[in-house]
Amino acid sequence: EIVLTQSPGTLSLSPGERATLSCRASQSVSSAYLAWYHQKPGQAPRLLIYGASNRATGIPDRFSGSGSGTDFTLTISRLEPEDFAVYYCQQYGTSPYTFGQGTKLEIK
Amino acid sequence: EVQLLESGGGLVQPGGSLRLSCAASGFTFSSYDMSWVRQAPGKGLKWVSNISGSGSNTYYADSVKGRFTISRDNSKNTVFLQMNSLRGEDTAVYYCASSQWRGPFEDWGQGTLVTVSS
Repeated sequence: EIVLTQSPGTLSLSPGERATLSCRASQSVSSAYLAWYHQKPGQAPRLLIYGASNRATGIPDRFSGSGSGTDFTLTISRLEPEDFAVYYCQQYGTSPYTFGQGTKLEIK
Repeated sequence: EVQLLESGGGLVQPGGSLRLSCAASGFTFSSYDMSWVRQAPGKGLKWVSNISGSGSNTYYADSVKGRFTISRDNSKNTVFLQMNSLRGEDTAVYYCASSQWRGPFEDWGQGTLVTVSS
């Protein structure tokens, strides 16, 4: 099983700031199969990034993904109030399709 | 517009069974893999099971293998999760999600809560 470890656990920032979230895999993940989601309280997760760097439909360009091998990054260039949520990375190339434990992005 | 609507959750005693359903609309259902993902109260996301578009291939997390069975009825655009021998640690919101073959989970339902307790 590929274990995904996200850091930090909690990130406290202000609107307008830049956020950098990390996802590290226990073994190499093909970039084609790394996704990022966010989840707001009481809501279902929403796909943000797939294939490590491709924005999903309707996702604003302040969200970007990068990385390869075992290290991946989600960057939010300028935080908007609606971006404060929990963020999860996921690998979907090898069953079981594991998720990271999440990073909570909170308003400072 | 894609819609995924789960149902069938509720309170069940340990050792009991429950069958979840997820009704899909707004896309060509048989062309999409379907997955179940669960989230225990206050915890993160855990993938549970996946079924291919044709239904011929199924996959399970080790924690549910032998107890849960995923299936689909493409004529009714519905995917199911039969859950047997339920345990307290199966308590969670269960989401269904759609994906293209070997793709990310593009769309998600709103979830259905399963509580296993005596």
